[in-house]
Amino acid sequence: GAGVSQTPSNKVTEKGKYVELRCDPISGHTALYWYRQSLGQGPEFLIYFQGTGAADDSGLPNDRFFAVRPEGSVSTLKIQRTERGDSAVYLCASRSGLAGPGGDTQYFGPGTRLTVL
Amino acid sequence: KQEVTQIPAALSVPEGENLVLNCSFTDSAIYNLQWFRQDPGKGLTSLLLIQSSQREQTSGRLNASLDKSSGRSTLYIAASQPGDSATYLCAVIHGSYKLIFGSGTRLLVRP
Repeated sequence: GAGVSQTPSNKVTEKGKYVELRCDPISGHTALYWYRQSLGQGPEFLIYFQGTGAADDSGLPNDRFFAVRPEGSVSTLKIQRTERGDSAVYLCASRSGLAGPGGDTQYFGPGTRLTVL
Repeated sequence: KQEVTQIPAALSVPEGENLVLNCSFTDSAIYNLQWFRQDPGKGLTSLLLIQSSQREQTSGRLNASLDKSSGRSTLYIAASQPGDSATYLCAVIHGSYKLIFGSGTRLLVRP
């Protein structure tokens, strides 16, 4: 595709509910990242996929957060038993992984704004 | 633990001024450093990526420098325009190529 897309753009849910956020990376990009951005802050790393596997999940805050990328393209971030503190913008980025400086650049989607009431 | 700091947090300048945004990081063992722009309610747009072996990169009116040994980077914007108004984020790239961001500098260019 032309760029990274994320759905939904906005999600409002109630405390304790389960949510899924979807990311469609740029076609052919092998690396995919999830970040979370709170108001007035820079994004914080959550998890990194290389292909289908989670190569680095050190940024996931607790076991309520989980992400998958079963076919090495689309990824879903899943949050169980949501809490008000989970409210943030969730950003997805992809990277081609090719050799050279062009392969290092991460391209971001527009984000999903999650509000937990 | 890597920490990235951006100064100033906010900046307001009249149109036409040249300006410098600062970024500092505590661990010099980085792969690359990347500058982004973020418009309100939008995602991030990559402006410049400086590899660890480089000292600067230029794109149009933007120039970014990197001094790994001192843990500093600057983004220079020449002849600022109202359309440059946005939040500018600096991020260092570590293992796994994950980005570690500063909190950003909110720039307002007044007509």
